[in-house]
Amino acid sequence: QKEVEQNSGPLSVPEGAIASLNCTYSDRGSQSFFWYRQYSGKSPELIMFIYSNGDKEDGRFTAQLNKASQYVSLLIRDSQPSDSATYLCAVILSGNTGKLIFGQGTTLQVKP
Amino acid sequence: NAGVTQTPKFQVLKTGQSMTLQCAQDMNHNSMYWYRQDPGMGLRLIYYSASEGTTDKGEVPNGYNVSRLNKREFSLRLESAAPSQTSVYFCASSTQGNSNQPQHFGDGTRLSIL
Repeated sequence: QKEVEQNSGPLSVPEGAIASLNCTYSDRGSQSFFWYRQYSGKSPELIMFIYSNGDKEDGRFTAQLNKASQYVSLLIRDSQPSDSATYLCAVILSGNTGKLIFGQGTTLQVKP
Repeated sequence: NAGVTQTPKFQVLKTGQSMTLQCAQDMNHNSMYWYRQDPGMGLRLIYYSASEGTTDKGEVPNGYNVSRLNKREFSLRLESAAPSQTSVYFCASSTQGNSNQPQHFGDGTRLSIL
C-alpha cells in the first residue's frame, strides 16, 4: 500500500462547477497535509495546507481533513479552465523525520 | 529573489556516465530535498537533508549519492547512470523539515539517459 494515494484521473468538470479531489494516507500519526498544483512542464506550487480536522478555506479553494478516516480533500469552487493541472497531495510523515511524501497526483480538466 | 536554483535544466547522458545535479537556495532554509518525477508516479523522495551536515535516504535512494555542501547547496550525484534514471529531478527546500512549513521547489532538471 502506498503511503499517500490519489485517483490519477483525469477528473473532468465543466467550467463553473465544483471540482473535488481526494487523497488518503496510511500513516495515522501524520500531522501536516499539503496540496500542490503542477502545470504541465512546471514545478509544483503550494496552494493549500491544513493541520487540523475540519475545513480550511482560501478563496475558491477549501481543504478538508478527517484524521480518523485518514482522508484529505481539496474542493475547487467555480472551476476555471486555468485550474486545469495536476493536483498533488503531500503528507509529512510522523516520527520527526521531515519526510514529505507525495501521492501520484490527480489530473483535473476544466472544460469551457 | 531566485528561491531555489537548479542546474543544469536539461542533460543527456550515456549509460554508465556520471553526473552531479546542483541545487542552491537563497532563503536561509535549513532543510533541502531531492525528488524525481516519472509519468503517473507523482514525486518520489530520493534523499533529504534536515539540516547542514546531515543527510537521510528517502523512498528511492538506490543509484544516487548526495552532498550537503553548506547551508545553501545540496547536490545529487549519479555515479553510473542507467536508463531507469531518466526522469525529471526537482530540488526543494523548507524552513525546517520536521515543522509544518511547506517546501519550495526549483524549476527541475530534465535528465535523459540513453
